[in-house]
Amino acid sequence: AQTVTQSQPEMSVQEAETVTLSCTYDTSESDYYLFWYKQPPSRQMILVIRQEAYKQQNATENRFSVNFQKAAKSFSLKISDSQLGDAAMYFCAYTRWADGLTFGKGTHLIIQP
Amino acid sequence: KAGVTQTPRYLIKTRGQQVTLSCSPISGHRSVSWYQQTPGQGLQFLFEYFSETQRNKGNFPGRFSGRQFSNSRSEMNVSTLELGDSALYLCASSPGQENTEAFFGQGTRLTVV
Repeated sequence: AQTVTQSQPEMSVQEAETVTLSCTYDTSESDYYLFWYKQPPSRQMILVIRQEAYKQQNATENRFSVNFQKAAKSFSLKISDSQLGDAAMYFCAYTRWADGLTFGKGTHLIIQP
Repeated sequence: KAGVTQTPRYLIKTRGQQVTLSCSPISGHRSVSWYQQTPGQGLQFLFEYFSETQRNKGNFPGRFSGRQFSNSRSEMNVSTLELGDSALYLCASSPGQENTEAFFGQGTRLTVV
């Protein structure tokens, strides 16, 4: 079974600084998708960024970028120029095609003004 | 385009009762997945439907069931409620057969007393 591990229960960063959230996963498959979701206090899960395993290029969405290391099964999220609105729980997730998402336990990101 | 709509937003039920939660996916989306979120277990996949067929099921007891209608709307049912069923239940919809871009609703907060 696939597992997703987020080893940082909580991270804190100063506003405007850069922070990196870690995620590792375990799978025997070669084709899959990885995601970072944000869950603010409203509880709405918001898709931040998606990475297709067969693409070597790291995905980027504005201030959010990933470092995808397929061989190491590592998928970290970098948030540049952190803003107060970035404060939330961040979940790393994995899926293959029609399977459900497998989530990590989450990282609580605190933004210090 | 309207997002994923879950109703009701909050629900309080008594042990032993049953409950039905509803999810209306984004217009045009044919895949609907359900997840349970608790502080202890995190986010766990319940089941996934595509074109009225359950394609995948997570590791939950038979008390948890679901269905999808021809208009892609989905319901999940929990019978003989237990205190441990108290959770946030999240529904997500995806455009196609592959669950590679899931959009979540705001969830239904179920409290069992």
